Amino acid sequence: TQLLEQSPQFLSIQEGENLTVYCNSSSVFSSLQWYRQEPGEGPVLLVTVVTGGEVKKLKRLTFQFGDARKDSSLHITAAQPGDTGLYLCAVISGSARQLTFGSGTQLTVLP
Amino acid sequence: GAVVSQHPSRVICKSGTSVKIECRSLDFQATTMFWYRQFPKQSLMLMATSNEGSKATYEQGVEKDKFLINHASLTLSTLTVTSAHPEDSSFYICSPARVNNEQFFGPGTRLTVL
Repeated sequence: TQLLEQSPQFLSIQEGENLTVYCNSSSVFSSLQWYRQEPGEGPVLLVTVVTGGEVKKLKRLTFQFGDARKDSSLHITAAQPGDTGLYLCAVISGSARQLTFGSGTQLTVLP
Repeated sequence: GAVVSQHPSRVICKSGTSVKIECRSLDFQATTMFWYRQFPKQSLMLMATSNEGSKATYEQGVEKDKFLINHASLTLSTLTVTSAHPEDSSFYICSPARVNNEQFFGPGTRLTVL
């Protein structure tokens, strides 16, 4: 069973469209991170959310942490081809306090 | 931000050979090293965790005799894939962590076993 379920798994949209990616769990977390990964590279941290209900903005990206700290969403406004990539949510878990990643959302923005 | 290097970035080898992947934290000391594996169109899955000078702890389903991890110093860790087979073809990513558990990620190594 995946600790973090992301939806949708794949998303292909036209440039200029808006989209939302979801990260859901039945567990409560003290914080949650979002990463973007491009092919052949390691993941790059976009944001960390720590407070229930928190909203953070990074240019055209808006991140929200659920009130109960069990889920999160990433909304992209006016998507651009440069937004193409694998979006991953992640939380700290386990005895070694390692990052555990969600199932991922592969986004493709067509020009 | 922290700088992490991995070498090689790509490697192609024949089935049955061994491959060593190096991971270096260039500007900080990594008390813990995490190794992840990522298959095509999938997420990162933790393989093992190691602390400097200690034996690695492997996740369920990961063979410790096949994936040898050495974390001999606070800036260098290696992952050796022994007797590689085509099913070991994957993208391997190291993730050194500071003492405060802040994790960083290497650029990854693409392993292709023929």
